Amino acid sequence: KAGVTQTPRYLIKTRGQQVTLSCSPISGHRSVSWYQQTPGQGLQFLFEYFSETQRNKGNFPGRFSGRQFSNSRSEMNVSTLELGDSALYLCASSFRQENTGELFFGEGSRLTVL
Amino acid sequence: DQQVKQNSPSLSVQEGRISILNCDYTNSMFDYFLWYKKYPAEGPTFLISISSIKDKNEDGRFTVFLNKSAKHLSLHIVPSQPGDSAVYFCAANNAGNMLTFGGGTRLMVKP
Repeated sequence: KAGVTQTPRYLIKTRGQQVTLSCSPISGHRSVSWYQQTPGQGLQFLFEYFSETQRNKGNFPGRFSGRQFSNSRSEMNVSTLELGDSALYLCASSFRQENTGELFFGEGSRLTVL
Repeated sequence: DQQVKQNSPSLSVQEGRISILNCDYTNSMFDYFLWYKKYPAEGPTFLISISSIKDKNEDGRFTVFLNKSAKHLSLHIVPSQPGDSAVYFCAANNAGNMLTFGGGTRLMVKP
């Protein structure tokens, strides 16, 4: 069974640009979450989607947005990039509707903002 | 406001001995607690979890203990193996799959 797939794995952008990251969950998983990992702030929750609806949102500015498609694939977008947005962005999927927190993570998309 | 804290950034143990990783939390509303393991260049991997209504959960060499009165949980690995060397994250869940993570503890198991 294929795992969670994130693309692209690495990308470099400049300040002010925008970026779109993609995530394909494990087949059959309907919940997709996004996390940001930085050396200073650690792993922080961005948002969660379930059946195309945003179920939860973390404490990030409106420049961070996401969506989920009918096939459960998800994208996140960051507009007007800032240097502090440089991070590893992790996508995770879950099959269960119960909220146990057991997630399957992808390898992440490493974003560098210059 | 760090709701989940891992106070030890690193831990070194000898192969075959017990590894004990600790985690403290402040939010009484958390209903599940989890441990994830992370190798370099990989995403975190779920290891073991415990519901807030329990005080112990065991899975092979891994046992998680929850002390609700102290708002403390710990992960015991017995016996420790060199392949266990990784960064371990404690996490807590209270709504959907919105996890709050600790800062991580780097475990090094020496042969």
